[in-house]
Amino acid sequence: ILNVEQSPQSLHVQEGDSTNFTCSFPSSNFYALHWYRWETAKSPEALFVMTLNGDEKKKGRISATLNTKEGYSYLYIKGSQPEDSATYLCALNRDDKIIFGKGTRLHILP
Amino acid sequence: DARVTQTPRHKVTEMGQEVTMRCQPILGHNTVFWYRQTMMQGLELLAYFRNRAPLDDSGMPKDRFSAEMPDATLATLKIQPSEPRDSAVYFCASGFGSQWPQHFGDGTRLSIL
Repeated sequence: ILNVEQSPQSLHVQEGDSTNFTCSFPSSNFYALHWYRWETAKSPEALFVMTLNGDEKKKGRISATLNTKEGYSYLYIKGSQPEDSATYLCALNRDDKIIFGKGTRLHILP
Repeated sequence: DARVTQTPRHKVTEMGQEVTMRCQPILGHNTVFWYRQTMMQGLELLAYFRNRAPLDDSGMPKDRFSAEMPDATLATLKIQPSEPRDSAVYFCASGFGSQWPQHFGDGTRLSIL
C-alpha cells in the first residue's frame, strides 16, 4: 500500500518563530513530490513540485527540500506570520498514482 | 487569472437521487483530477484523466460513481444512486501533467440527506 505520512499532525507556533515539518513516503519508483497550502474554506494552492533527489525550492519565507533515497521531504517556514496558518499537504506521484498525506495543520499564535 | 470552475458550489439532495458535478479545467491543461475531502480520509483521489483518457480511477467506488470527459473543456463526476456517506466536498483540479502543480477549483459541497 502506497502511504504518505506527514508529521506532526498539528503544530502551534509563535508568530516570528521558524518551523518545519515532514512528509515521508516510500522511496522506490519515485516520480514527483508536491507541496500544497490549504487555508480553511478555500481550495489547496500549489507551493512546490520537486522531482530530483537533493532538490531545494524556495518561495518567499517558505522552502522545501527533498531526499528521494530515504523517502522524505521537509517544509520550512521562516519567521512565521499569521497568514501562514493553514494545512500543508504533501502528495506523492508514483506509477501514475497520486497519494496525498493527511496534512500538517499549522496555527500561528499572535 | 485562469481558474478551474466547478458547478454547482453546493448541492443538497435526498438519498437515491442522481448527482452530477461539473468541472471546467483551465484551458490548455491536459490533466484533470477529481478528489473528495472527508474528515477521516483527508483528500483522496477518485479519478484522473490525461488527454481525456482515464489514467487511474481506482479510488472511485465503481458501482455508483462514474467520471467522464466528454470534451477537453468539461469533466463530470456522477453518483447514482447517492447515499448519505457520499456527503463531502468534491474538488476538481487541472494541470499539465503529474510533474506540474495542480490548480484546484473551489469545490462542490455535497450533502445527501
